[in-house]
Amino acid sequence: KAGVTQTPRYLIKTRGQQVTLSCSPISGHRSVSWYQQTPGQGLQFLFEYFSETQRNKGNFPGRFSGRQFSNSRSEMNVSTLELGDSALYLCASSFNGAAYEQYFGPGTRLTVT
Amino acid sequence: QQQVKQSPQSLIVQKGGISIINCAYENTAFDYFPWYQQFPGKGPALLIAIRPDVSEKKEGRFTISFNKSAKQFSLHIMDSQPGDSATYFCAAGVTNAGKSTFGDGTTLTVKP
Repeated sequence: KAGVTQTPRYLIKTRGQQVTLSCSPISGHRSVSWYQQTPGQGLQFLFEYFSETQRNKGNFPGRFSGRQFSNSRSEMNVSTLELGDSALYLCASSFNGAAYEQYFGPGTRLTVT
Repeated sequence: QQQVKQSPQSLIVQKGGISIINCAYENTAFDYFPWYQQFPGKGPALLIAIRPDVSEKKEGRFTISFNKSAKQFSLHIMDSQPGDSATYFCAAGVTNAGKSTFGDGTTLTVKP
């Protein structure tokens, strides 16, 4: 079974721009969660989508948004990028949102200059 | 605020030794406690997980010990190997909530 895939793997953007990251979950998984990983803040939960609906949301500004499609693939968008948005963005999928069954992708490394 | 506190921040162990990483949580609503292993350039990989109705779970060289009354849990890596050198994260969450609250991570170095 193929694992969680994320595209692109690396991205360099300029302050003020916007970016869209993509995540394809494991086949059959309906829940996709997004996390931001930085050296200073560690792993922080952004939001979770289940059956195309946002079910949980972390404490991030509205510049961070996401969506999920009918095939469970998910996208995350960050608008008006700031230097502090530089991070590894990870998505994790699970069958029904039971977090102990979450499987992470390799992440997208976003650098904002 | 939901928090999971992890210690130590870094750990150096000799090959064949026991690595012990500790975590403490505050939210009594948490009902599952996974541990993840992360290598550089990779996403975290689920290593082992436990529920609060069990005091210990063992999978190969990895053991989770859980103390519900103290709200603490720990990961023991027996016979540590250089290949175990990685960053380990404890986490806690509520089943079906789709999110985990992570500890800050422990960088383990196993010296040959």
